[in-house]
Amino acid sequence: DTEVTQTPKHLVMGMTNKKSLKCEQHMGHRAMYWYKQKAKKPPELMFVYSYEKLSINESVPSRFSPECPNSSLLNLHLHALQPEDSALYLCASSQVVTTPGNSPLHFGNGTRLTVT
Amino acid sequence: GENVEQHPSTLSVQEGDSAVIKCTYSDSASNYFPWYKQELGKGPQLIIDIRSNVGEKKDQRIAVTLNKTAKHFSLHITETQPEDSAVYFCAAGSNFGNEKLTFGTGTRLTIIP
Repeated sequence: DTEVTQTPKHLVMGMTNKKSLKCEQHMGHRAMYWYKQKAKKPPELMFVYSYEKLSINESVPSRFSPECPNSSLLNLHLHALQPEDSALYLCASSQVVTTPGNSPLHFGNGTRLTVT
Repeated sequence: GENVEQHPSTLSVQEGDSAVIKCTYSDSASNYFPWYKQELGKGPQLIIDIRSNVGEKKDQRIAVTLNKTAKHFSLHITETQPEDSAVYFCAAGSNFGNEKLTFGTGTRLTIIP
């Protein structure tokens, strides 16, 4: 089982709804990520948090709003989504790298989002 | 930016045979090359990674080779088993974090019993 837990596993929402995706990890990782994955495609980076501060926003539309309330939790708030936003949303975590080296990404199993 | 090409897109292999997946990258500054396995309904999971100061790395039935001069790296799975069936993604990135990690397009590997 993955050490990164995402809820809910599945979500169906209308274009006028507001919903939130949640991610939790207890590995002591201080970097957390949101990825979007369309069918038969690789994950695409959306946001990166480092020490609970947003460090990267890959030009994601404002209808997606990330939040990192503490070092273990990451949320993605959704509002006024479009049908083309339907995808698998993956959360990942890793150590923050400050010296040469790398910390592998640990992915959750994702939330399958359908926008109707 | 970095561009990672991955081949083949699909691969079917008889159980017990070997499977090889190849990736090429464009940015000579890339120095970290992980491989992820994604099973149906799950997130990608790291199976092996290699850094640019190493030409080959092996972990039981899985091995990765890297040719920095040619800018390509490969995943080798020997003695394949049905549980190896999944989508495999290569990636290339920096030795200073995951923000610049670029994924390949994926290979769907099917092991035929």
